[in-house]
Amino acid sequence: AQKVTQAQTEISVVEKEDVTLDCVYETRDTTYYLFWYKQPPSGELVFLIRRNSFDEQNEISGRYSWNFQKSTSSFNFTITASQVVDSAVYFCALEEERGSTLGRLYFGRGTQLTVWP
Amino acid sequence: DVKVTQSSRYLVKRTGEKVFLECVQDMDHENMFWYRQDPGLGLRLIYFSYDVKMKEKGDIPEGYSVSREKKERFSLILESASTNQTSMYLCASSLATRLSNQPQHFGDGTRLSIL
Repeated sequence: AQKVTQAQTEISVVEKEDVTLDCVYETRDTTYYLFWYKQPPSGELVFLIRRNSFDEQNEISGRYSWNFQKSTSSFNFTITASQVVDSAVYFCALEEERGSTLGRLYFGRGTQLTVWP
Repeated sequence: DVKVTQSSRYLVKRTGEKVFLECVQDMDHENMFWYRQDPGLGLRLIYFSYDVKMKEKGDIPEGYSVSREKKERFSLILESASTNQTSMYLCASSLATRLSNQPQHFGDGTRLSIL
């Protein structure tokens, strides 16, 4: 079973629209980390944010915001006033506490975001 | 800034060849990872390593092996390349802190084609 589910395979919006990328995770650990990465057309994965399981406070960074809700096991990512440069594949990832595999990330399948001018 | 360098951006090899993909990081990270990325499947972990000469299988290790003789270098080996190994390969590294709040840092990827 997928530990991280990104149900939206592709999203298309027009510039200046707001867009939310969904991420649902599954873990039995009480302590864990959640991440978002961006992969622009050039290919490299760029780290955007990490949150730990004890901090449910939402976070805002410029046009980006993240909504972490343990009750629904979700860690959604919103881009406000989207721009063409936001076009990329976005990955959500989970790191669990358990066992000897610290540092291992479980990735969702990614959401391709296309922002049209 | 952390730098993870993969030896090639693009590589074309033939079926049956032994293929080496090299990855070097410059931040003294203990953890290193190899993923492959395929459309619709996201990133899948092939192998990872927590220390020199140490390796663990990921989710899809079949047909691959790895080598970590030095801390900064992690090599992925396709013992006998097959066409179904045509893919984008991504290397990553991270610090080995418990409950790491350190992200994995990725290289630019190697797009490998097996003919």
